[in-house]
Amino acid sequence: AQSVTQLGSHVSVSEGALVLLRCNYSSSVPPYLFWYVQYPNQGLQLLLKYTSAATLVKGINGFEAEFKKSETSFHLTKPSAHMSDAAEYFCAVTSSGGYNKLIFGAGTRLAVHP
Amino acid sequence: NAGVTQTPKFQVLKTGQSMTLQCAQDMNHEYMSWYRQDPGMGLRLIHYSVGAGITDQGEVPNGYNVSRSTTEDFPLRLLSAAPSQTSVYFCASRGQGVGAFFGQGTRLTVV
Repeated sequence: AQSVTQLGSHVSVSEGALVLLRCNYSSSVPPYLFWYVQYPNQGLQLLLKYTSAATLVKGINGFEAEFKKSETSFHLTKPSAHMSDAAEYFCAVTSSGGYNKLIFGAGTRLAVHP
Repeated sequence: NAGVTQTPKFQVLKTGQSMTLQCAQDMNHEYMSWYRQDPGMGLRLIHYSVGAGITDQGEVPNGYNVSRSTTEDFPLRLLSAAPSQTSVYFCASRGQGVGAFFGQGTRLTVV
């Protein structure tokens, strides 16, 4: 079975500081990995995805994530936080090949303060 | 291009009532799914479908039914609502190898 663990349910950073949101996954088969962002009272929006191509994946809004198989991690980073980055972020995993369940982590709420 | 459309956006039910949450997508995606979102628990998969006529259970299927008569539509039915079903419900669709597209959600309260 696949699973996702997001370390830290709440993360707070200053505007302009580095953003690091942690995600570790468990999968017995090669995974596809995703990061989603959810703004208040909205649905989820895809930030970026890893599908077995380049291990460093660039997404929208300046975010990127690196797939590290040895650490079973897919941490999300952004060099400089902006107030508009305040939202909830979800990491998700599925299996490559065909249609498979997309399993989500519990989410990390990012607060950005001046 | 509407993407994934969910209706209604808000709903209040009394315990024991039934209702159907509607979901439609216009991207010709084979895979559709329903999630519920509760504080601190992320999104939990209720039911999913890999094509018309094919459905399967997710992590938390009890109390919910689904059907998939067309590629476009994937309704979620609550046969007898319970307060434990108070949640925000999201429908999602995706094609192979791509991330899921989500609807705007339905906020359901069962009193």
